Amino acid sequence: ETGVTQTPRHLVMGMTNKKSLKCEQHLGHNAMYWYKQSAKKPLELMFVYSLEERVENNSVPSRFSPECPNSSHLFLHLHTLQPEDSALYLCASSQGSGGIYEQYFGPGTRLTVT
Amino acid sequence: GIQVEQSPPDLILQEGANSTLRCNFSDSVNNLQWFHQNPWGQLINLFYIPSGTKQNGRLSATTVATERYSLLYISSSQTTDSGVYFCAGGEETSGSRLTFGEGTQLTVNP
Repeated sequence: ETGVTQTPRHLVMGMTNKKSLKCEQHLGHNAMYWYKQSAKKPLELMFVYSLEERVENNSVPSRFSPECPNSSHLFLHLHTLQPEDSALYLCASSQGSGGIYEQYFGPGTRLTVT
Repeated sequence: GIQVEQSPPDLILQEGANSTLRCNFSDSVNNLQWFHQNPWGQLINLFYIPSGTKQNGRLSATTVATERYSLLYISSSQTTDSGVYFCAGGEETSGSRLTFGEGTQLTVNP
């Protein structure tokens, strides 16, 4: 595997389910990001994890819970989601987060909440 | 935080035509990237260009940091160029964090 991978690519879940999205980067980077892309809206940064910082967008509901066990893996745990959470969830990585580094994106997980 | 404005929002071209996409920033940025999102959602890096001009095949980009804008040029467009083009920038204090524009939806017809 090369670059940034995400699994699953598609996910349909009910509002009472618990699921997790997984992201893995094979670039030797030290920072990882979760973005949400809703229809007709720009990408919104949800979380940043790096050796330098952990940043959370305060507008992200607590039903989204990130986990970063090491610099290569990032998870997004989902529980009791709402239909408006249906979106494309994109993971990205960069060499670091405190400096200026180019970000590379995974293919995304298309989430549908029923 | 900064605001990122992209224009035009939609663009329809005939194959072979040239086009210019623009990105304006509300404040100075020192981290700027252009991406192409294909129909399957994958964001593909086009340019990392906080300033200056870069070229890659039929695509080129210019950023004028002092005037807070960037341009993406597509020459001799092909149907495979269709998709959404995003620019994203980061402020000095934001490190590598990016704020995205709303994108330009490009359709190239055969």
